[in-house]
Amino acid sequence: EVQLVESGGGLVQPGGSLRLSCAASGFTFSDHYMDWVRQAPGKGLEWVGRTRNKAKSYTTEYAASVKGRFTISRDDSKKSLYLQMNSLKTEDTAVYSCVRVSESSGYSYDYWGQGTLVTVSS
Amino acid sequence: DIQMTQSPSSLSASVGDRVTITCRASQGIRNDLGWYQQKPGKAPKRLIYAASTLQSGVPSRFSGSGSGTEFTLTISSLQPEDFATYYCLQHNSYPLTFGQGTKVEIK
Repeated sequence: EVQLVESGGGLVQPGGSLRLSCAASGFTFSDHYMDWVRQAPGKGLEWVGRTRNKAKSYTTEYAASVKGRFTISRDDSKKSLYLQMNSLKTEDTAVYSCVRVSESSGYSYDYWGQGTLVTVSS
Repeated sequence: DIQMTQSPSSLSASVGDRVTITCRASQGIRNDLGWYQQKPGKAPKRLIYAASTLQSGVPSRFSGSGSGTEFTLTISSLQPEDFATYYCLQHNSYPLTFGQGTKVEIK
């Protein structure tokens, strides 16, 4: 069974930093691109960014709203995905979820984690 | 960026009704579109991928259609467990973009 479990969320002051983790199980993590998606309270879904797999040199893509502040990384040996968030703003408050990208279905999303809440507030 | 305009933003319907939700892309995205269902406090669940392919295990009352810029999710006969929020997602180009969501409520 595919499982994605996020951790590391919490309360942080504006300008602060936080590192989120996503532990994957039930599939060959190293094969897949992985994304982060967020959802502000009561709002819709927003793509944050992507890390590709080793075959694509672990290259990354980011939403304009987080580029230069957030960094996505992965450790295939630990089956883990990370999101380093710096210079946090109040508008970054959201539930952050890791999402598996399915190459076999045209690079759409097939599995989502439950998410971890990040609150940016003074 | 590709804008995904989803409509309606909400609808009220009865059990057994036929429901149609539309997403319009600001430029052509071939069939690089998925539909997702989200219930409160839960992770989204994929219903449709490649615009019209039904995810394994999803009831056949759900169907998707469209290509290019116009896409539709249809629920042929709404069931109690279908009351949720639905999102489209284009993955044709970066940044990936979601529709604003459609909340399906009980009439």
